[in-house]
Amino acid sequence: DSGVTQTPKHLITATGQRVTLRCSPRSGDLSVYWYQQSLDQGLQFLIQYYNGEERAKGNILERFSAQQFPDLHSELNLSSLELGDSALYFCASSFRGSGELFFGEGSRLTVL
Amino acid sequence: GENVGLHLPTLSVQEGDNSIINCAYSNSASDYFIWYKQESGKGPQFIIDIRSNMDKRQGQRVTVLLNKTVKHLSLQIAATQPGDSAVYFCADSGTYKYIFGTGTRLKVLA
Repeated sequence: DSGVTQTPKHLITATGQRVTLRCSPRSGDLSVYWYQQSLDQGLQFLIQYYNGEERAKGNILERFSAQQFPDLHSELNLSSLELGDSALYFCASSFRGSGELFFGEGSRLTVL
Repeated sequence: GENVGLHLPTLSVQEGDNSIINCAYSNSASDYFIWYKQESGKGPQFIIDIRSNMDKRQGQRVTVLLNKTVKHLSLQIAATQPGDSAVYFCADSGTYKYIFGTGTRLKVLA
């Protein structure tokens, strides 16, 4: 158990809909990262937050947004969903935004 | 720009043999590298890391080698076991982003 909690574990929705994925980092970790992993693909970096502020941005679509709240949990919002958005979405956390990343078990999104 | 890639998508190794998984990176400013193991249906798990001021680092049955001259690192797994079957990723964290490569699937043959 990495200490990173992601909910929901599985989510099935339809095209055009909007979903929110939630991540609770390890206790004491200030930085949260979001990654997308499509079937048999690598981990595509989406966005990183550090202590509530956006620190780095990757190839995140404009339909996607995220935030980190004062209690350090983070949410990834995916809107106007398309079939191609079906993927595993991982959250990871680290203490200072460097060093080892601890990953959650992921949220599997299926868009029908 | 930053790029971390792997030479081979799939590696098949006989149980008991040593495995070597390779990774190339392009950002010469990278100063920290991590190897992760991802088992089917699970999140990536940390294996070992290395900073750019080191050439080699050893863990339990694993060794990471870093060659900054050619921007290459490798993960060596000694006496490969069935439980080592997974996808292995390297990542570069020189710019906060922790860019991951595509991954190498390691298959351990009985």
